[in-house]
Amino acid sequence: ILNVEQSPQSLHVQEGDSTNFTCSFPSSNFYALHWYRWETAKSPEALFVMTLNGDEKKKGRISATLNTKEGYSYLYIKGSQPEDSATYLCAPLGAAGNKLTFGGGTRVLVKP
Amino acid sequence: NAGVMQNPRHLVRRRGQEARLRCSPMKGHSHVYWYRQLPEEGLKFMVYLQKENIIDESGMPKERFSAEFPKEGPSILRIQQVVRGDSAAYFCASSPPGTGADSGNTIYFGEGSWLTVV
Repeated sequence: ILNVEQSPQSLHVQEGDSTNFTCSFPSSNFYALHWYRWETAKSPEALFVMTLNGDEKKKGRISATLNTKEGYSYLYIKGSQPEDSATYLCAPLGAAGNKLTFGGGTRVLVKP
Repeated sequence: NAGVMQNPRHLVRRRGQEARLRCSPMKGHSHVYWYRQLPEEGLKFMVYLQKENIIDESGMPKERFSAEFPKEGPSILRIQQVVRGDSAAYFCASSPPGTGADSGNTIYFGEGSWLTVV
């Protein structure tokens, strides 16, 4: 079982401000990292799949970086908007694994 | 292309009854995963299936829970003799054929089935 930590658990951001938060995972035996955005009562929406150390991915105002050697990934939201309010989940996958193990998520609330 | 379809969206069962949750994966997907979200908790893996095969059921409770993904039709998560502690949101996800999450491909989630046991 992979130990996945996301911090902080929750985050209040003023509209227009940028923010970032962390996903930590075991660096050994790493294969891939998935990021999801999850709004209440909806299905988790896939944001990124990252596999390479140093990888950086971007989707609109949201971007993510990956450090597989030290076992962490950052997700950044630039110029936060109220519609960015959601829980952001990360899920690493070990090389021997076949399923995603989710962290507890970072709940982001963007205040107008 | 319809997404992952789950039904029912909401299900109420009395203690001791059976609950059946259905999941139709995205068209062309042959890998299905079931996750559970208990109140105030995150998504916990339950089971990973391919057509007619259970690949990994390490997250399934040992008793009362079973899952199948037949050659034809949706995947079914079955909970027998439900108890109050089974009340949760159950999410299904799917991924393309020949690959699982370990391929680096995205897996796609349904909107969940909310089970309430009274």
